[in-house]
Amino acid sequence: GAGVSQSPSNKVTEKGKDVELRCDPISGHTALYWYRQSLGQGLEFLIYFQGNSAPDKSGLPSDRFSAERTGGSVSTLTIQRTQQEDSAVYLCASSPDSGSGYTFGSGTRLTVV
Amino acid sequence: GQQLNQSPQSMFIQEGEDVSMNCTSSSIFNTWLWYKQDPGEGPVLLIALYKAGELTSNGRLTAQFGITRKDSFLNISASIPSDVGIYFCAGQKASGGSNYKLTFGKGTLLTVNP
Repeated sequence: GAGVSQSPSNKVTEKGKDVELRCDPISGHTALYWYRQSLGQGLEFLIYFQGNSAPDKSGLPSDRFSAERTGGSVSTLTIQRTQQEDSAVYLCASSPDSGSGYTFGSGTRLTVV
Repeated sequence: GQQLNQSPQSMFIQEGEDVSMNCTSSSIFNTWLWYKQDPGEGPVLLIALYKAGELTSNGRLTAQFGITRKDSFLNISASIPSDVGIYFCAGQKASGGSNYKLTFGKGTLLTVNP
């Protein structure tokens, strides 16, 4: 597509429920990133996918967080047993390779109540 | 995780004024990036800097990559109302297996009074 597409744009969930956030990167971009933006904070790295290489999961805050990227394209970030501190904007970005500037999606605003 | 020190946190200026913001780090970066984020949107890349000492302009925006590679600044000249938003600096490491990661500052919230 023309840009990075994320869905849903907003998600309100009850504490303890699981959520799935989707990212559709720019066609042909081999690198895909997930970042988290909490209120008043900068962007926090979560996970990175590059082609068929093993993902860098070093930024995932707990084992409740996981992500996969199927077929080198669409990625899903899953948060299990959501907690209130998970409330944030989750941003996905893609780039042609690991050294290029990113293009960000509009994000998913997650609110855990 | 590591974050850049970005200042000021917020600015409230009159239309037509010039603006300056900067980022500093204790670590060396080989790339500095400046992004702008509008409400409800993801950050959009404004300027990318790849060499120490580099000075780059994009319209009314000018950014510089510090000689020490530990700092960068962004200037906006003759501000207009649509400059309103949050500006983020980001650095990319010089070496190592994780040089694709961006480290972000906490942002500068810019408000322009017409």
